[in-house]
Amino acid sequence: GAVVSQHPSRVICKSGTSVKIECRSLDFQATTMFWYRQFPKKSLMLMATSNEGSKATYEQGVEKDKFLINHASLTLSTLTVTSAHPEDSSFYICSANRQLEQFFGPGTRLTVL
Amino acid sequence: GQQLNQSPQSMFIQEGEDVSMNCTSSSIFNTWLWYKQEPGEGPVLLIALYKAGELTSNGRLTAQFGITRKDSFLNISASIPSDVGIYFCAGQLLSSNTGKLIFGQGTTLQVKP
Repeated sequence: GAVVSQHPSRVICKSGTSVKIECRSLDFQATTMFWYRQFPKKSLMLMATSNEGSKATYEQGVEKDKFLINHASLTLSTLTVTSAHPEDSSFYICSANRQLEQFFGPGTRLTVL
Repeated sequence: GQQLNQSPQSMFIQEGEDVSMNCTSSSIFNTWLWYKQEPGEGPVLLIALYKAGELTSNGRLTAQFGITRKDSFLNISASIPSDVGIYFCAGQLLSSNTGKLIFGQGTTLQVKP
């Protein structure tokens, strides 16, 4: 199957700092990638759709100035959590579409102290 | 927003038993996907369904795309301990052209050896 990677796999940061998470499609090009957030024992919540070469589309209730998304190439999308606070601590997962199937990265565990 | 109702929420079964879970919606989907997620990892695609009535197998897993396009089920036969995890259904709405998926709430499966 297709491979999607994320980096870092886990990050601990101080409140007020910014954290960048990378999502890469390793063996295919993805014009569209998606960013999800998942709380413990809950389903995936879509945050935004990342479009290569254009602005991301954010879901209702997601602050675009706080969660900055950049999709500068066909294999890389980044999510930057700006001025992180403890309530931003979560599991962030990206995915990419290859044809009709959506493949997920391994996730990034963010802990904000 | 759009929702998928996934049931059961959790199952605790004996090794060797068969398992069945399903997802229903009031909306029509053009794609159904079933994923498995293990702790601390991203979801892994198990089966993808594209046509109403389609029945697809992947080893001990069998899934079907409901004829009404509003439901899907996943069966696991002869369960083994490594089947433990959270299973999610996900669908792409017929009306969607973005590739966005809508996720069910998940079914947590525990298998007793």
